[in-house]
Order: sequence, then C-alpha cells, then structure tokens
Amino acid sequence: EVQLLESGGGLVQPGGSLRLSCAASGFTFSSYAMSWVRQAPGKGLEWVSTLTFTGGSTSYADSVKGRFTISRDTSKNTLYLQMNSLRPEDTAVYYCAKDRGSRGSTAYMDVWGKGTTVTVSS
Amino acid sequence: EIVLTQSPATLSLSPGERATLSCRASQSVSIYLAWYQQKPGQVPRLLVYDTSNRATGIPARFSGSGSGTDFTLTISSLEAEDFAVYYCQQRSNWPLTFGGGTKVDIK
Repeated sequence: EVQLLESGGGLVQPGGSLRLSCAASGFTFSSYAMSWVRQAPGKGLEWVSTLTFTGGSTSYADSVKGRFTISRDTSKNTLYLQMNSLRPEDTAVYYCAKDRGSRGSTAYMDVWGKGTTVTVSS
Repeated sequence: EIVLTQSPATLSLSPGERATLSCRASQSVSIYLAWYQQKPGQVPRLLVYDTSNRATGIPARFSGSGSGTDFTLTISSLEAEDFAVYYCQQRSNWPLTFGGGTKVDIK
C-alpha cells in the first residue's frame, strides 16, 4: 500500500525554523516527483513546492521562495521541507503528496499524507 | 500566475441530483486541469486529471469537460459520500495553482 507519513510540525515563534519530514512507503520513491501543499485553517489548498523525480530541480511558490527548501533522501525514502523565517501566515496543515506519473512530472497529486500542523505564533 | 475561479462557492443539492461545478482560468491552461475532492477532516483525493481522465478507482458518475479557460466537473447523480469540497488545479504553468473550492452540501 502506498503511504506517506508527515512529521515535524509544531508551534514555532515568528522568525523561527522547522523541518518537516515525509516518510514514503509502498512505491519506488526515487521514481516520482514529490510536492508539499498546505492548507490554512478553514481555507483552500495552496501549492508550496515540488521536487522532480531526479531530485535535480525544484519549484517554489512565491510566498515561500527564499525561505523554504525542499529536498529528499532516497536512502531513507523521505522527503523534507526546511522552513526558515516563518511567518504567522505560514500557519497551516502541510501535506506531502506524490505525483501521479512515474519518472516524469504530471504535477497532479494522486497520493496525499494525512498532514502535519504548523502553527507560527508568539 | 494563473488564477482559477470556481463557482458557485456553495452548491446545495439533494442526493440523486446532478451537480455541475465550474472552474474558470485567467488564461488558457489547455487541457491541463485536475479536480480534487476533500471531505471534512480528510485529505484531498484526485478525481480527474487532464480535464477528463478519471483517476484510479473514481466512479463513472464523476466526469470532467472543457478546455482553454472553462472547465466543468459533473457528478451525474449525487450519492451521500459526494457531499464535500471540490478544488480544481492547473499544471499548465508554474506556479501550480488551485481554485478556491466549491462546497457541495445537502439541501
């Protein structure tokens, strides 16, 4: 069974940092592009970042560019999101999501983790 | 950035009725549009991609159509489990963007 399990969320002060992790299982992790998508409380979905299946290219939403970094460790089948200079508006549930296509990037997300909650507040 | 506008914001219907959800893009996305369903307390689920292709395991009552800037998700006959929020998403241009959602609730 394909599964994604996020961790690392929590309460952090404005300006602080967090690193989110997403442990993947049930599929060949290194063959899929992976993304982070967030959802602020009571709001809609917002794409945050995508890492290509090669690991060689990244994309970011303007709202997080320069502050967040997506990466992965294929030996651990784990995706990461390093979040620095956090702002109150970054408060959200952060979902890890798998691309629908193998060895490419359809940029559609067919498997989602349950999410991890990040709260930025003093 | 491509802005996706979904309408209506809320659709109140009864089980068995047909639901028609709209997604309009601020510029052409060709056919590169998907639809997701999110039930309360659950994660999003991919329903349709590339305008009209149903994802694995999605029932045939869900269908997508459109091209360019105007897209529609149709649920032919609503079942109890279909009452949820629906989002469209485009992959034509980076950044990826989602619409604001349409909530389908029970009338």
